[in-house]
Amino acid sequence: KNEVEQSPQNLTAQEGEFITINCSYSVGISALHWLQQHPGGGIVSLFMLSSGKKKHGRLIATINIQEKHSSLHITASHPRDSAVYICAVGAGGTSYGKLTFGQGTILTVHP
Amino acid sequence: DAGVIQSPRHEVTEMGQEVTLRCKPISGHDYLFWYRQTMMRGLELLIYFNNNVPIDDSGMPEDRFSAKMPNASFSTLKIQPSEPRDSAVYFCASSLRRSYNSPLHFGNGTRLTVT
Repeated sequence: KNEVEQSPQNLTAQEGEFITINCSYSVGISALHWLQQHPGGGIVSLFMLSSGKKKHGRLIATINIQEKHSSLHITASHPRDSAVYICAVGAGGTSYGKLTFGQGTILTVHP
Repeated sequence: DAGVIQSPRHEVTEMGQEVTLRCKPISGHDYLFWYRQTMMRGLELLIYFNNNVPIDDSGMPEDRFSAKMPNASFSTLKIQPSEPRDSAVYFCASSLRRSYNSPLHFGNGTRLTVT
């Protein structure tokens, strides 16, 4: 079993829909990262969180440490949101920087 | 800020040749990471440095891979000799560790093809 599991693996939506991508992990962490990778290949860090909830524009990320689960929500989705979304978990202390990645969720938003 | 700069963007080489990938982190960042991305295995950490010192290289696949960071503004990842299974996209990332919650900044990656 992978240490970081994302669901769904593929997601297709119509423009304007509310989207949720889930991430479950099985190891103790200090922080969880949500990354976005566009078809051109570049990777952008969307959020890093260790508790609660963060919001940036139409994107919202939540984490439940007790349940070892995080969600990434996109409100009013748009075709430009089409990308691969990757969850990664990081340990702290002397293991800072050792990220373990999920397999990614491929999101396609149709106009 | 120019962000993390990687070169070259694309590299095509023949099996057995030496390959050197380069990375310039964001100025002032104290952590530098090398990742590899393949279709089969996704993103994997190869090695990371803190203040130019290698901290964890357990992800380096084998002795053919080596990485150096001679100063705070430059790092290299070398593969010698290269093999077709090394074909992948190699990303460099840097961060500034103010706390455990420091975001990563990725370069655009180097797409390596070994024929």
